[in-house]
Amino acid sequence: DAGITQSPRYKITETGRQVTLMCHQTWSHSYMFWYRQDLGHGLRLIYYSAAADITDKGEVPDGYVVSRSKTENFPLTLESATRSQTSVYFCASSESGQGNSPLHFGNGTRLTVT
Amino acid sequence: DQQVKQNSPSLSVQEGRISILNCDYTNSMFDYFLWYKKYPAEGPTFLISISSIKDKNEDGRFTVFLNKSAKHLSLHIVPSQPGDSAVYFCAVNAGNNRKLIWGLGTSLAVNP
Repeated sequence: DAGITQSPRYKITETGRQVTLMCHQTWSHSYMFWYRQDLGHGLRLIYYSAAADITDKGEVPDGYVVSRSKTENFPLTLESATRSQTSVYFCASSESGQGNSPLHFGNGTRLTVT
Repeated sequence: DQQVKQNSPSLSVQEGRISILNCDYTNSMFDYFLWYKKYPAEGPTFLISISSIKDKNEDGRFTVFLNKSAKHLSLHIVPSQPGDSAVYFCAVNAGNNRKLIWGLGTSLAVNP
């Protein structure tokens, strides 16, 4: 199916564990993004990528690592999960950056860190 | 300090009436404004946008108005339908780095 898919939809992990959230898009969009959504903060950008092998920090990058070896995939890794990283994570893609063209979002991953 | 504010966390409207969602921003250099809609357990979806060179953009039942002097934009939905019940986010292009700044959202309930 065309679109952007995130996996898993739900994840529970323990403090200190490494966890990877997956994101896959079928449009061949150049740009991909990771956001987190928390009550009282709205959507905050974690990392983004303008193309394969090009990534850059967003507003809240600490504790996260990304890679983009292929245009269609943009995994997000929490190297050592903390309770403050409990959140809903959204992956998005766009043709030409955040402001120039609409973002297409996945349905999110709800992560709970115990 | 929030650069993009949606001061109404929630709004309730009767089906068939107009829904007006508001968004205020602080920086007159912002040049592109977007509205997204979000249903529970789904990601946000793009709804409508407006450039700072315009003061109105219309797409079917949805119209966005931009008042640059007041640093204010609004989304009008006419007529409102129960399927419009969702959280609406205002997002603003923050200038040359093309980053988006998001409001906290307004939860719209359209009652049959």
